[in-house]
Amino acid sequence: GAGVSQSPSNKVTEKGKDVELRCDPISGHTALYWYRQSLGQGLEFLIYFQGNSAPDKSGLPSDRFSAERTGGSVSTLTIQRTQQEDSAVYLCASSLARSFTDTQYFGPGTRLTVL
Amino acid sequence: EDKVVQSPLSLVVHEGDTVTLNCSYEVTNFRSLLWYKQEKKAPTFLFMLTSSGIEKKSGRLSSILDKKELFSILNITATQTGDSAIYLCAAGKLVFGQGTRLTINP
Repeated sequence: GAGVSQSPSNKVTEKGKDVELRCDPISGHTALYWYRQSLGQGLEFLIYFQGNSAPDKSGLPSDRFSAERTGGSVSTLTIQRTQQEDSAVYLCASSLARSFTDTQYFGPGTRLTVL
Repeated sequence: EDKVVQSPLSLVVHEGDTVTLNCSYEVTNFRSLLWYKQEKKAPTFLFMLTSSGIEKKSGRLSSILDKKELFSILNITATQTGDSAIYLCAAGKLVFGQGTRLTINP
């Protein structure tokens, strides 16, 4: 079946502009995660959605970052007033499980470049 | 289409055993292969491999890359219950395998 999809695959923007990144999880997966990987860094957790529960936003680096998940499916990560340090690959993953320890299926990522 | 395949998908062993996890890849523009251990919110980084035949080692964990045969292995010796996790590998433009769920029984 279809895996996790993300769009756009690449995004180049100017400093100060807002961007929206989209994630379509695997159908039926109740958990959705956003991560980012900056050059040379490991994966950095950003936010976690599980069913109808309030999202775990503990990883969001600043209030310029926000995410929503509509109808328990598609999620959008929004970065306002982008900064150069926001440049990274943003990865989305989904899973069936109710905890962090079950298999997460990763999307192809969105490479964000802030000029 | 880039592809990373891990095997086995699941492995259950006893404490003290040695395990070998496999990762094969077919990606364009290969630069490195990454291994992660996933226990909690975000997978934690283990190794980055760029060159064939050079073993990277960290305590009881070691990994090696074969760029000719397009695979990598992750070895864990003298396993402990704390090694129980999902082990992920990623290659190319951060294409992840499906992971190997490793369970270490006392």
